[in-house]
Amino acid sequence: GAGVSQSPSNKVTEKGKDVELRCDPISGHTALYWYRQSLGQGLEFLIYFQGNSAPDKSGLPSDRFSAERTGGSVSTLTIQRTQQEDSAVYLCASSPMGSSYEQYFGPGTRLTVT
Amino acid sequence: EDQVTQSPEALRLQEGESSSLNCSYTVSGLRGLFWYRQDPGKGPEFLFTLYSAGEEKEKERLKATLTKKESFLHITAPKPEDSATYLCAVPAGMNTGFQKLVFGTGTRLLVSP
Repeated sequence: GAGVSQSPSNKVTEKGKDVELRCDPISGHTALYWYRQSLGQGLEFLIYFQGNSAPDKSGLPSDRFSAERTGGSVSTLTIQRTQQEDSAVYLCASSPMGSSYEQYFGPGTRLTVT
Repeated sequence: EDQVTQSPEALRLQEGESSSLNCSYTVSGLRGLFWYRQDPGKGPEFLFTLYSAGEEKEKERLKATLTKKESFLHITAPKPEDSATYLCAVPAGMNTGFQKLVFGTGTRLLVSP
């Protein structure tokens, strides 16, 4: 079946612009995660959605970052007023209920802020 | 603070030359340790979960083991297609559940024919 998909695959933006990154999880998966992977750094947890529960936003690095998940499926990560330090690969993952450790990752969106 | 350290950062092997990757962790109450494989330009691919010291899991040429302080990913007679970055992760914190994973920076493995 189809895996996690993300769009766009690459995004180049100017400093100060807003960007939206999209994630389509595997159908039927109730949990959705966003991570950030910077060069030479490990994956950094950003935010977690589980069903209809309030999201865990504890990993968001600043109030410029926000995410929503509509209808328990598609999620959008928004970065406002982008800065050069926001340049990274943004990865989305989903997992079925009851096995959240088996997170299935998408290919990521490579964001470059110039 | 939960922490995961992987070594070496990079490893170059000849095809058939067995070796091991290390993942040491500091966590308040281990509730699992996970290994992933990541190919260039792709997201991590789940490999193994280990829950308790002494546990072992195997998949093809890979075997993961766990002690109270570290995990090893043993690669037996590797092939060029095993070349990838191998990531280790643990759930963060005592009360946050599995959803927050703390990842190491990975070991880049290159297997030459």
